[in-house]
Amino acid sequence: DQQVKQNSPSLSVQEGRISILNCDYTNSMFDYFLWYKKYPAEGPTFLISISSIKDKNEDGRFTVFLNKSAKHLSLHIVPSQPGDSAVYFCAATSNDYKLSFGAGTTVTVRA
Amino acid sequence: DADVTQTPRNRITKTGKRIMLECSQTKGHDRMYWYRQDPGLGLRLIYYSFDVKDINKGEISDGYSVSRQAQAKFSLSLESAIPNQTALYFCATSGLGSSHYEQYFGPGTRLTVT
Repeated sequence: DQQVKQNSPSLSVQEGRISILNCDYTNSMFDYFLWYKKYPAEGPTFLISISSIKDKNEDGRFTVFLNKSAKHLSLHIVPSQPGDSAVYFCAATSNDYKLSFGAGTTVTVRA
Repeated sequence: DADVTQTPRNRITKTGKRIMLECSQTKGHDRMYWYRQDPGLGLRLIYYSFDVKDINKGEISDGYSVSRQAQAKFSLSLESAIPNQTALYFCATSGLGSSHYEQYFGPGTRLTVT
């Protein structure tokens, strides 16, 4: 049973607008969360992360929000650019150096 | 040069054949992992190793085995390949110098079992 869920398989957004990707988790022991980005024919690359002691982490155009009570996190990309078109994976860990991944959301940024 | 390399990048094999996927890293990391990616399922952990003498099963280890030949090398074997092992396989590393729990991935091996 997947402990990390990304319920939107795909997202299409116009260039310059905001992309919002959502992720839910069921394991209350998870205390660190990461987002990975994956282009075709490449391995996933780390994008941004957040510890459970925070509710927001920002890095340039990327911001991750964490709502622990709802077991929900989201990734905001503002403004969206064509190079952001990729698959985005949400991942979580409970301090054991193993990551549990969601199924991924494919983002397409339209010109 | 890439920090995490995987060979082969693509492989087509027949049911029942033994196949080995290899992973090498130059990051000096202690921890290494093997994942498979399937459409709609994301990445699932097959095996992981926290040092040369440590091997642990992940969530989907049945039908697979691994060998940690050195700190820098971690290979995945399919003893008798079956069609539902057709997937994209990724090796990853983490360790001293990586940010928190961040893992670094290789480019992947696309395996097709006919």
